[in-house]
Parts: sequence; C-alpha cells; structure tokens
Amino acid sequence: GDSVTQMEGPVTLSEEAFLTINCTYTATGYPSLFWYVQYPGEGLQLLLKATKADDKGSNKGFEATYRKETTSFHLEKGSVQVSDSAVYFCALLWATGGFKTIFGAGTRLFVKA
Amino acid sequence: NAGVMQNPRHLVRRRGQEARLRCSPMKGHSHVYWYRQLPEEGLKFMVYLQKENIIDESGMPKERFSAEFPKEGPSILRIQQVVRGDSAAYFCASSAQEGGASYEQYFGPGTRLTVT
Repeated sequence: GDSVTQMEGPVTLSEEAFLTINCTYTATGYPSLFWYVQYPGEGLQLLLKATKADDKGSNKGFEATYRKETTSFHLEKGSVQVSDSAVYFCALLWATGGFKTIFGAGTRLFVKA
Repeated sequence: NAGVMQNPRHLVRRRGQEARLRCSPMKGHSHVYWYRQLPEEGLKFMVYLQKENIIDESGMPKERFSAEFPKEGPSILRIQQVVRGDSAAYFCASSAQEGGASYEQYFGPGTRLTVT
C-alpha cells in the first residue's frame, strides 16, 4: 500500500545551518505531496505542497521538489532559525487510492542559538 | 475566516467512560477526516465522512469507536468505554471537495485525550 518514509530524528542544528529532511514515498500513480509542521502542543500547519512531478513547493524559506524518478520529496532550508524547531511531517494524498492523507512518522528538529 | 475548530482541546476521562470529540469544518467544506496521533508517532487515518455519510472507515477500530457528520452541526468522534491505549491526540481535517490532488486537507488544533 501507499506509504511515506522520512528520516528519523531528532535532528539538531545550530542557527543558520543548512537543513535537509529526507522523505521518500511509495504510491501507485501520481499523488500530491506535502510537508506539514507541528509546533509543540499545536496542530498541523501546511508548510508547502507539490501536486505533480518536478513541481517545487516553497514557503518561509523552506522548499521541496517532487522527484518522480526517485520518489522523493526532500525538505530543505538554507539557514534555519531557532523558531524552526518543531516536528516536520511528510505526507501524500492520493485521491484514487482513497481520500486519506498518509503521513510519515515525523522528524523532530531542534535548532540551537 | 475561521479554520477547522475542534473542542474540547483537552479531555480527561477515566477508564470505562465515554469520550465525545467535536469538529466543525472550515466554512464551505463538506468533507471531514479524523486522524489519531499516538505519542511520538505520525498521524494515522481513521475515518472520512461527508454530510450524513461515512465514506471510508478503514482506519477505525472495529469496536467502541464511531463517527458521524450530521446534516446540521459538527462532526462527532465517539469513543465508548475508553481504555488507557486511547490516550492520544485526535485531529480533524476538512476539505472543500473530494480529496483530489488539488484539494488538500486543512487541520484543526486537535483534541488531546488522556485516559486515567
């Protein structure tokens, strides 16, 4: 069945470091791909999305490119801030496979000042 | 322009009691989804509802759990005779149309259920 695998955390970085969180997926066809962010004690916020191959989603300095050939959607940011500390979830939505969003297990990011 | 609303935000129940979680979708949205997040885990799909219909309940436990989305009022996730293993965060999401590629789901703040 459809699934999402993302790198295990926690990831600890110093402020202004480069961030990569890897995400790969398994799905038949062409799902939409998402990154959500969850701050402590809060719900999920949509960070960015891509709906077809080679699309690049971007928001707040984060970006991810939908790579069909490698079935990946890695999240990157050039310079992280302390306020970026949160849990990041990669997810896919595949309408004809059902309308549920499939989530990865989440990657916790700590950014030190 | 209110987002998805859930209440209560925190709910404490003793083992054996019933828990009722409410979700009001975004204005104009008629599709509701419930997810459960166990501690330190990702979200797992439970059920997808449209008004007065359950479309997909493949993620719902077979016993004690039920969901509804009546013609009027919020969607309700009901857990009967709660056990400690039901302690989790329950998130509701809504979408404007069927969850096609362009219509992502918007999430509420969640209800954190603690069973003592």
